[in-house]
Formats: sequence, structure tokens, C-alpha cells
Amino acid sequence: GEDVEQSLFLSVREGDSSVINCTYTDSSSTYLYWYKQEPGAGLQLLTYIFSNMDMKQDQRLTVLLNKKDKHLSLRIADTQTGDSAIYFCAVASSNTGKLIFGQGTTLQVKP
Amino acid sequence: GAVVSQHPSRVICKSGTSVKIECRSLDFQATTMFWYRQFPKQSLMLMATSNEGSKATYEQGVEKDKFLINHASLTLSTLTVTSAHPEDSSFYICSARDPGPWGANEKLFFGSGTQLSVL
Repeated sequence: GEDVEQSLFLSVREGDSSVINCTYTDSSSTYLYWYKQEPGAGLQLLTYIFSNMDMKQDQRLTVLLNKKDKHLSLRIADTQTGDSAIYFCAVASSNTGKLIFGQGTTLQVKP
Repeated sequence: GAVVSQHPSRVICKSGTSVKIECRSLDFQATTMFWYRQFPKQSLMLMATSNEGSKATYEQGVEKDKFLINHASLTLSTLTVTSAHPEDSSFYICSARDPGPWGANEKLFFGSGTQLSVL
């Protein structure tokens, strides 16, 4: 079946850049997504990239997509303590069209 | 972006009671809503797809008689955990698909989640 993998934990210092990586096995998704989850809260759509693009920049966020390698990454520039959260990537299952989420990457930002 | 309201945000109940969780799309009509379950430090597990005016579609392994879903209108879906037991304790999150201008593929907006604790 479809699988989405993320590293579980990333720690950076405030002001540094953070790069969160995601790999997937299959996708028919027109869009690929990054969601942010703060403790005890639901998911907030952070950004997304259209599948025919290889890069999208949105203020401090840069999404890179390598369709050949099935690799998606999220770069956060000038990481702030408020960026501390769990970040999920999500792609659509080619079988069902439903979103499949990675396990989530916990980003810890140290002052 | 679109807003999805979910409540209650937290509920504590005794074993054997039923709990209803509501999910509302506030500024768009959602023909499809999704219910997820999330265990601590784990990803979201899709439980069921809720379709307005028809029966919900449950994922494999999810008991439909245990988790009753009603999608009576284009803006409201409810999940009722019947005869709750401690193992049902979890974080439940709903999402709604906003068809929007971005085409046929999914763009989901999530509720803030409900932490259910069954004593």
C-alpha cells in the first residue's frame, strides 16, 4: 500500500533554517501538502505544492518537490520558537484518492 | 482559508456512555467530511468518510456500530462514540473538503480536534 515516511524529530536553534523531509511511495495527487499541528490542536494547512512544480516559496517557507525520487521537503527560514510543532506531509493515495499522512516530524526550536 | 469548527474540544466520560462530537464547516459547503483518530505522537488514522445524505464509508477495522457517523447537512457531520471504553480514549479530528477553485483534488481543512478520555 501507499506509504509516507518522515523523520520523527528535528532540533534547530532559533534563527537557523529547518528542513523537514518526506518520502512517499506512490501518488496521484495533484497537490502535496504540509500541515502544522500545535499541541492539543487540529491540523493547520501550512502550504501545498502543485505536482507539476518543483519549488514553491511562500514567505519563510520553501517547498521542494522531486517527483522522480518521490521526495518532498519543507524549508523554514529564520526558524522561530513559535515554529515549534509537529509537521505532517500528506499525499493522495492513487488507489483511493484519500490523503495519506506521514508520521509527523516534531520540530524543536531552541532559543 | 476555510474554517472548520469542531466541538467539544475536550470530553471526559464514564465507561459505557456515548459521546457525540460535532464538526461544522463555517464558510463553505462540505459534501464530504473525514474523521480521523490520532494516538499520542502518531499520525492521523482515517476512520471514515462522511458523505452528505448517504451512509458513511468506514475504513477497514473500524466498527461502524461503535462509531456512528451522521452527515445530515452540507455543513455538519457528527461522530458518536457509542458505549465508550477506555481504549476509545484518543484525539479525534474531523476535516472537510472544500471544493474551492483549486480543482477536484483534496484540499482539506481541519477542526481543532476533540480529546476524549474515557474513565
